Amino acid sequence: EDQVTQSPEALRLQEGESSSLNCSYTVSGLRGLFWYRQDPGKGPEFLFTLYSAGEEKEKERLKATLTKKESFLHITAPKPEDSATYLCAVQAPNTGNQFYFGTGTSLTVIP
Amino acid sequence: GAVVSQHPSWVICKSGTSVKIECRSLDFQATTMFWYRQFPKQSLMLMATSNEGSKATYEQGVEKDKFLINHASLTLSTLTVTSAHPEDSSFYICSAKGSIYEQYFGPGTRLTVT
Repeated sequence: EDQVTQSPEALRLQEGESSSLNCSYTVSGLRGLFWYRQDPGKGPEFLFTLYSAGEEKEKERLKATLTKKESFLHITAPKPEDSATYLCAVQAPNTGNQFYFGTGTSLTVIP
Repeated sequence: GAVVSQHPSWVICKSGTSVKIECRSLDFQATTMFWYRQFPKQSLMLMATSNEGSKATYEQGVEKDKFLINHASLTLSTLTVTSAHPEDSSFYICSAKGSIYEQYFGPGTRLTVT
């Protein structure tokens, strides 16, 4: 069965302490891997789409990378306002338009 | 661009009543919209896929007679929770499919059934 697993479940960082979040997947024929940020009580905010292994995308302090089995979301010198839950989702040919979501990584950045 | 709105943002209703939630794509047309529900500290669970002009496709275990979905136009989908009960209390989020594979999410609707 297709699966998406995110780790760690929760991460606490000091402000300025860089780290990475992981999203591993087992879907066949990946169409796209998507990263979202979700703040409490709000809908997910789109961050990145990655389509093929080796692809990288950056936005401010965030950088997403993709291999054939996993994606990393690198956070460089995080700030308290980066605290949120980060979700990844994948789409594969056999899922139609549907996304498989991971359970998310809850990031807390301490001043 | 790619803004999705939901209305209302929160609603409290009595058990047995029905509640309608609207999802609109504000600056693009969406032939496909999705409805999710999310419980505290859990990820999003897909409830149904809504295609403009046709019947919604429901996920296994989701009661289609309880969660009525209408995708009447390219910018509007509605979810009606009929005869709501306390166990239906949740955070409901819609999304609209973008031009390729991406989905853009609304801000969510917090439903509390008393």
